[in-house]
Amino acid sequence: SQTIHQWPATLVQPVGSPLSLECTVEGTSNPNLYWYRQAAGRGLQLLFYSVGIGQISSEVPQNLSASRPQDRQFILSSKKLLLSDSGFYLCAWSGTYEQYFGPGTRLTVT
Amino acid sequence: QKEVEQDPGPLSVPEGAIVSLNCTYSNSAFQYFMWYRQYSRKGPELLMYTYSSGNKEDGRFTAQVDKSSKYISLFIRDSQPSDSATYLCAMSQGGSEKLVFGKGTKLTVNP
Repeated sequence: SQTIHQWPATLVQPVGSPLSLECTVEGTSNPNLYWYRQAAGRGLQLLFYSVGIGQISSEVPQNLSASRPQDRQFILSSKKLLLSDSGFYLCAWSGTYEQYFGPGTRLTVT
Repeated sequence: QKEVEQDPGPLSVPEGAIVSLNCTYSNSAFQYFMWYRQYSRKGPELLMYTYSSGNKEDGRFTAQVDKSSKYISLFIRDSQPSDSATYLCAMSQGGSEKLVFGKGTKLTVNP
């Protein structure tokens, strides 16, 4: 069966510091992968999606970036965090047309 | 008009009640419909998905799609306190490149 992992689970970072969140998927090959952010009262916002290694599509212009160095690894990064980057970050992979989410990373920028 | 509208609630019901959660949408190209359950501080969990009009049942859960009215529903029978969560509807035009989500309805089932 497929499993999706995210780490860290919780992160507190100062403004201006860098960020690296990692997501890995087990039990499937060449999945479509997604990064979402969920802020209170704002629903799920799609940030990036990837259909293969090195292929990244950005949905929202911002100071975040994503990379996919391996088939089942997806990384979300920032060089300098802003207060507005606080939120719950979710990674997902897709089945035929549905998506399956990881446990999430709660990021607080102070 | 937003693509997907979902009443945020909160919705509070007694244990054993039948719960009805709803979403409306404006894009007639949506063909695939999903419901997710999200417990506090956890990732969304896929509950049900369907790609046709009509009803789909899974245990205490029934998903209903009315494409002519652009309206989908999730019914929970014999609701339990463990059903207390936020429920998100989601839909797509085809494939799974992009899902459009509702903002979620927060449900509390009181024992």
